[in-house]
Amino acid sequence: EVQLVESGGGLVQPGGSLRLSCAASGFTFSNYWMNWVRQAPGKGLEWVANIRQHGSEKDYVDSVKGRFTIARDNAKNSLYLQMNSLRAEDTAVYYCVRDAGGWFVDWGQGTLVAVSS
Amino acid sequence: EVVLTQSPATLSLSPGERATLSCRASQSVSSHLAWYQQKPGQAPRLLIYDASNRATGIPARFSGSGSGTDFTLTISSLEPEDFAVYYCQQRSNGRTFGQGTKVDIK
Repeated sequence: EVQLVESGGGLVQPGGSLRLSCAASGFTFSNYWMNWVRQAPGKGLEWVANIRQHGSEKDYVDSVKGRFTIARDNAKNSLYLQMNSLRAEDTAVYYCVRDAGGWFVDWGQGTLVAVSS
Repeated sequence: EVVLTQSPATLSLSPGERATLSCRASQSVSSHLAWYQQKPGQAPRLLIYDASNRATGIPARFSGSGSGTDFTLTISSLEPEDFAVYYCQQRSNGRTFGQGTKVDIK
């Protein structure tokens, strides 16, 4: 059974930093692209970033470029999202998502990031 | 950026009725479109990929159609568990989602 378990969310002040982690199990992690997708309270889904199997290729939504960094450790079956210069509009539930052919096939339960003073 | 526009925003129907949801892309995405279902407090679930292929375990009452810029998700006969929010997503040029259609009980 595929499991994706996010951690690292919490309350942070504007301008602050946070690092999200995702522990993956139940599949060969190194074989798949991985993504972060977020959802602001009461709003729709927004793709944030993705990373290729061995980390050689990464992409980001324009609103987080230069502030967020996606990374992975295949030896630890883990995905990360380093978030710097956080803004109120980054407040959301952040989901770790397994990608198969560009489709979001498996989702974690999400971790809430709240940016507020 | 490919913008996906879903309509209607809300669809009020009764169990047993047919639901027809629309997703329109700002430029052609070929058949590179998926549909997801999200229930309150849960993560989304993949229903349809490549415009018309049901994901593993998805009931046959869910079907997808379309190509290019116009796509449709049809639920042939609504079950109580189908009342939820539905999102379309494209992978042709980056990754973007539509804003969602809420299917609620009339």
